Amino acid sequence: NAGVTQTPKFRILKIGQSMTLQCTQDMNHNYMYWYRQDPGMGLKLIYYSVGAGITDKGEVPNGYNVSRSTTEDFPLRLELAAPSQTSVYFCASSYGGGGNTIYFGEGSWLTVV
Amino acid sequence: AQRVTQPEKLLSVFKGAPVELKCNYSYSGSPELFWYVQYSRQRLQLLLRHISRESIKGFTADLNKGETSFHLKKPFAQEEDSAMYYCALNRKAGAQKLVFGQGTRLTINP
Repeated sequence: NAGVTQTPKFRILKIGQSMTLQCTQDMNHNYMYWYRQDPGMGLKLIYYSVGAGITDKGEVPNGYNVSRSTTEDFPLRLELAAPSQTSVYFCASSYGGGGNTIYFGEGSWLTVV
Repeated sequence: AQRVTQPEKLLSVFKGAPVELKCNYSYSGSPELFWYVQYSRQRLQLLLRHISRESIKGFTADLNKGETSFHLKKPFAQEEDSAMYYCALNRKAGAQKLVFGQGTRLTINP
C-alpha cells in the first residue's frame, strides 16, 4: 500500500526560485495537510484541505500556496524561495476530522541557498 | 493559544527500566491529545490517543486536566522503543489542526 506519497524527497533551491512539492494519497481520504518541521522543532501546519476545491490556512501559510483539484492530490507551491523555508515538509491525510488517524508521508527535505 | 511542551529533548534509559515521556499542554477548551512516534527510517505514525484509553506496545498515557499533562509511560522499556516521540494536541471540532511538541528522542540502552 502506497498511502501518502511525496515528491521530491530532497531538493536544493536557490533564493527566489519556485517549486512545487507533490503529494498524493490513495486512501480516498477527504482531509489533507501540509506541515513543516524546522530543526529541533515540532511540526507546524502550513495549509490543509477538507475536500476537493476547499483549502484553508494553517499556522504558518506565508510564502506558500496550495490547490486541491482532486481528492488524491494536494500540491504545495513555494513561489519565491527564501532561506527561512529550509525545512522538512510532511504531507498527511485523514479520512475525516476529529479523532481520525492522520497518515503521514515520508517527508521532503528542502534547502534554500 | 494552543501550545504543547515536551521538556526533554533527549531521554536515555536502560532496557527493562520504566519510561516516562512528559507532555504538558495549554488550551482553553477540551482538547484531544495524541502521541505520535517516528522510528528510524520510518514515517511518523500515531501511537495512541487519549480518547481511546488504550495501551499500544505497552505504552499508556493518561490525560490529567488538572495538571494539563499527557505523559507517556511504559513500565519496562525495550530496545525497539528507541524512537522520536511527539505529543500533539487538536481541537475537537473540524479538521485536525494538530499542534505538536518539539519531540523527545528516546534511546533505550541494552
